[in-house]
Amino acid sequence: QVQLVQSGAEVKKPGASVKVSCKASGYTFNSHYLHWVRQAPGQGLEWMGVINPSGGGTRYAQKFQGRVTMTRDTSASTVYMELSSLRSEDTAVYYCARDLPEAPFDYWGQGTLITVSS
Amino acid sequence: DIVMTQSPDSLAVSLGERATINCKSSQSVFYSSNNKNYLAWYQQKPGQPPKLLIYWASTRESGVPDRFSGSGSGTDFTLTISSLQAEDVAVYYCQQYYTTPRTFGQGTKVEIE
Repeated sequence: QVQLVQSGAEVKKPGASVKVSCKASGYTFNSHYLHWVRQAPGQGLEWMGVINPSGGGTRYAQKFQGRVTMTRDTSASTVYMELSSLRSEDTAVYYCARDLPEAPFDYWGQGTLITVSS
Repeated sequence: DIVMTQSPDSLAVSLGERATINCKSSQSVFYSSNNKNYLAWYQQKPGQPPKLLIYWASTRESGVPDRFSGSGSGTDFTLTISSLQAEDVAVYYCQQYYTTPRTFGQGTKVEIE
């Protein structure tokens, strides 16, 4: 069955960076794009960007340009999202989610809580 | 970017009654070449990731109860829960996948009255 399994919760200090992983299984890794979506406590869903595992191409939300980097390791069927220059407002649950082109997000990871606190 | 606006922000409905959530997009998400609306609805329960309920504005995902239905076209869409059950208490989001960036509505919290 399709699974997206994310790395565990982390606590970071302001100014630091964090790298979250999302390991895919149960389907052909290169066949679906993988997106990152975050959700601050008590807030809605915010799209951050997308990576094409096939070629590694990425597109990021303008808000995160320059601070976010999405990469993939095809040998491990894993994508990564690194966010730098963390601030308290980055405290959120970060999700990966997959889709096909022109399709909704049909599977989501379990979420990774990133807490930014001094 | 396409802005998605949901209404209301929250609603309380009695068990067995109808719940209706609206979603409006700032531009059309209808693609005439394939006659499809690129609009999805998700359900999110506390501590869980969102779950896909409806796509193409009105197609239920496999396993979703038929009390959930979606309608609308162009810029105006509706999610209806025909007979609210206790397990339907959640936050519901609409999302457009017509273009990138993918954008979500702000969410509508559904509670039992």
